[in-house]
Amino acid sequence: AQTVTQSQPEMSVQEAETVTLSCTYDTSESDYYLFWYKQPPSRQMILVIRQEAYKQQNATENRFSVNFQKAAKSFSLKISDSQLGDAAMYFCAYKKGTSYGKLTFGQGTILTVHP
Amino acid sequence: DAGITQSPRYKITETGRQVTLMCHQTWSHSYMFWYRQDLGHGLRLIYYSAAADITDKGEVPDGYVVSRSKTENFPLTLESATRSQTSVYFCASSESQIIGNTIYFGEGSWLTVV
Repeated sequence: AQTVTQSQPEMSVQEAETVTLSCTYDTSESDYYLFWYKQPPSRQMILVIRQEAYKQQNATENRFSVNFQKAAKSFSLKISDSQLGDAAMYFCAYKKGTSYGKLTFGQGTILTVHP
Repeated sequence: DAGITQSPRYKITETGRQVTLMCHQTWSHSYMFWYRQDLGHGLRLIYYSAAADITDKGEVPDGYVVSRSKTENFPLTLESATRSQTSVYFCASSESQIIGNTIYFGEGSWLTVV
């Protein structure tokens, strides 16, 4: 079975600085997708970024980028120029390539942004 | 664009009572899902449905029942609620034609079993 591990229960960053959230996963599949979701206090799940395993290029969405290390099964999220609105719980998630939305989530990392 | 709506958003019920959480999506997505979120576990899949009248168990199905008579609706029923089912429940949906596409989540239903 696939597992996703987020080893940092909590992280903090100063406004305007950069922070990296870690995620590792375990799978025997070659075709899969990885996601980072943001969950603010409202509890809404917001997709931040996604990465297809077959793509070597790391995904980037504005201030958010990933470091995808397929051999190491690592998928970290870098947030640049952190803003107060980035404060939230962040979840790493894995999806097998042939499954339509069956996500396996990590335990989450609470990010605090200090002004 | 209403997306996914869940009801009720907040519910307090007593142990042993039956509770139904409703989920409605307006996109005609084939796939729908129910997840529960508990501290320290992230979100875990309860049940999912590939189409109307097709449902299957996820990671934590015990104590739950689902049905999907219409594509747009996917209710989750707790037949006899227990305190361990106190959680936040998320409904989600995705299209069937695109394997790697986005999964859309509802806003969650907070359930407390006393």
